Amino acid sequence: EDKVVQSPLSLVVHEGDTVTLNCSYEVTNFRSLLWYKQEKKAPTFLFMLTSSGIEKKSGRLSSILDKKELFSILNITATQTGDSAVYLCAVNSGGYQKVTFGIGTKLQVIP
Amino acid sequence: NAGVTQTPKFRVLKTGQSMTLLCAQDMNHEYMYWYRQDPGMGLRLIHYSVGEGTTAKGEVPDGYNVSRLKKQNFLLGLESAAPSQTSVYFCASSSTGFGFGTEAFFGQGTRLTVV
Repeated sequence: EDKVVQSPLSLVVHEGDTVTLNCSYEVTNFRSLLWYKQEKKAPTFLFMLTSSGIEKKSGRLSSILDKKELFSILNITATQTGDSAVYLCAVNSGGYQKVTFGIGTKLQVIP
Repeated sequence: NAGVTQTPKFRVLKTGQSMTLLCAQDMNHEYMYWYRQDPGMGLRLIHYSVGEGTTAKGEVPDGYNVSRLKKQNFLLGLESAAPSQTSVYFCASSSTGFGFGTEAFFGQGTRLTVV
């Protein structure tokens, strides 16, 4: 059975802090790993990673994949209150519908 | 620039009632999906469609039916609602398979309570 495990489950930080969110996976046929941000309702896409060691960046957010150790991290630098959300990690394991989601990491950024 | 639109946003049903959730996308995507999200669990796939007129079962299909009569619409039906179907339901769409080079776009969700 495919598994995606995110840690920590929740995190409270102060504005300006840097945070690292973790996603480890065990799947039968890895194809890609995706990060989403879920604020109030709809998950919104952040990154898709397919190759090890290549960092993807978007503003203060960045992510990298390690296919040997089977994990990915999502970094957020200089956090802002608007970064407060649940961050979801998902892994495609070979079929166009075979996407397994983690439970998510709830991040709260306090002023 | 609507993207993926779900209706309704909230609904309360009595056990045994039926209802249909509507998902509409304006991005001309081939693939559409219905997920449910429950506390302590990741999003789980209920049913999906790879094109107009096609449907297939996902991970948790029991108690649900779907139809994709038009490319832009994907309907999720509950024939006889049960309290175990209390959940938040998300529709998503993608141009190619989800994770096969493209991401999926999600709707705002429908919070369904079955009493």
